Amino acid sequence: VLTQSPGTLSLSPGERATLSCRVSQTVTSSYLAWYQQKPGQAPRLLIYGASNRATGIPDRFSGGGSGTDFTLTISRLEPEDFAVYYCQQYVRSPWTFGQGTKVEIK
Amino acid sequence: EVQLVESGGGLVKPGGSLRLSCAASGFTFSSYSMTWLRQAPGKGPEWVSTISSSSRSIYYADSVKGRFTISRDYSKNSLHLQMNSLGAEDTAVYYCARDEGRFPFLHWGQGTLVTVSS
Repeated sequence: VLTQSPGTLSLSPGERATLSCRVSQTVTSSYLAWYQQKPGQAPRLLIYGASNRATGIPDRFSGGGSGTDFTLTISRLEPEDFAVYYCQQYVRSPWTFGQGTKVEIK
Repeated sequence: EVQLVESGGGLVKPGGSLRLSCAASGFTFSSYSMTWLRQAPGKGPEWVSTISSSSRSIYYADSVKGRFTISRDYSKNSLHLQMNSLGAEDTAVYYCARDEGRFPFLHWGQGTLVTVSS
C-alpha cells in the first residue's frame, strides 16, 4: 500500500512543494516512480528509480528517499505545476499507485 | 513517436459487456508487452491486465479475473480488453500503456471512459 500525504497542498507560484509517499513494505529505491496528472490527461512520468528525472522533466522536480519513505520536491512552483501527483511502486507485482496529492493554487 | 489511442468506451448497464481497443503506432508492437490500467473518478491509477509480447503470458488483477479478457492483434497493431459482467466498480477511465518491464509506464494513451450505470 502506498500512502501519499498531504491530500491537498495549497501553495503560491514560486513556493516550494514537498510531497510524501510512504510504502507499507520496503521498496528498493530503484523501483519508485512519480507521475504528474492534469485534468483530462494521462499521467506523465516525472521520476523513476526514486530520484532520476525522466526525459524532458525540468530540474525543479527532484525525488528522494529510501526504504519506505519517499519525497517529491518541486523547488519553485510554476503555473503549469499545479496538478495531481502520484507515486508508484514497481518492485512487486501488481504495480500499485498512491491515492495522489493535489497541488493547488493558494 | 509512440502513439496509443484507445476507443470503445461508453455507457453500459450493470451486467453488460464492452470491448475496448487500443491502436498502437510508432514502435515495434510485437516486441513489447502491453498493459491496461484504469482510474476511477478521484482515485489513483490501478493496474488491470498485462499481455506479453508473444501473448503467451497474461496477467489480471484479482478484481477483474474471470470477467475481463486481454488480447492483441499483431496484424493490426492493436490491443483489446473484453469486459463482461460489468459493475459500478468498473466505472473508470481505461488507459492502455506500453509495458517497459522493470520500468514505470512511460507511454500512455489518452484514455477511454467506461461508465457502468442503469
